[in-house]
Amino acid sequence: LAKTTQPISMDSYEGQEVNITCSHNNIATNDYITWYQQFPSQGPRFIIQGYKTKVTNEVASLFIPADRKSSTLSLPRVSLSDTAVYYCLVGSLRAGNNRKLIWGLGTSLAVNP
Amino acid sequence: DADVTQTPRNRITKTGKRIMLECSQTKGHDRMYWYRQDPGLGLRLIYYSFDVKDINKGEISDGYSVSRQAQAKFSLSLESAIPNQTALYFCATSDSSGTGDYGYTFGSGTRLTVV
Repeated sequence: LAKTTQPISMDSYEGQEVNITCSHNNIATNDYITWYQQFPSQGPRFIIQGYKTKVTNEVASLFIPADRKSSTLSLPRVSLSDTAVYYCLVGSLRAGNNRKLIWGLGTSLAVNP
Repeated sequence: DADVTQTPRNRITKTGKRIMLECSQTKGHDRMYWYRQDPGLGLRLIYYSFDVKDINKGEISDGYSVSRQAQAKFSLSLESAIPNQTALYFCATSDSSGTGDYGYTFGSGTRLTVV
C-alpha cells in the first residue's frame, strides 16, 4: 500500500535552515511530489513541486534523489511566520494511471525566537 | 475577494439532515476538488472534477455527492449526515497545465459538525 511518511514535528530557531524529509517508497513512475504549508483555520498553500533532482523557487528548495523514494523540503533562514504544518503529497490523477493521491499526515514546524 | 470561496464557514447540523457545501472560484481553473481533513488522518479526497461534464470519485466518496454547476462552481452534498462526517472540508482548484494536477489553490474551509 502506498504510503507517505514524514516526521510529526520539528523545532527550529529563527534564521536557521530547516529540512523536512518525506518518505514515499512506493512512488510510481508518473507521480509528482508536492509540498504544502498550512496555518490554523486556513486551507493548505502550495509551496513547491518536483519530479526529480532539485527544484528551487523564491521560498523553498525541493531535493529528490535519483530513486525518488524520498524528498526533502528545505526552508532557508526560517522566521517566526514559518511556524505551520507542512504536508508532502505524492501521486497523480492523470488519466491512464492508477489515480491516487497520498498525503502525508503533516509535520508541525515550530520556529522559536 | 478570495480566489476560492467556500460557504458556509461553519455549520452545525443534525444527524439525518441533508446539507450542501458550496464552492466558487475566480481562478479560471477547470479542475475542482473536495477534500476532508480529520486530525490524525490528514487530507482525503472525496470527489474531483476535471471539467463541467466530468465527475470522479475520490478515496472516500460514500455518503457524499457532488454537482458541478458551472466551471466556477462545485458543490458537495451530504444526503443524510452522520456524526462521523464531522470534519473540516476544503474545496480546491487547479489548472490543466502540465503539472496543474498538483498545484492546488485551496479555499479557507468549512467546519462541519454533525450532532
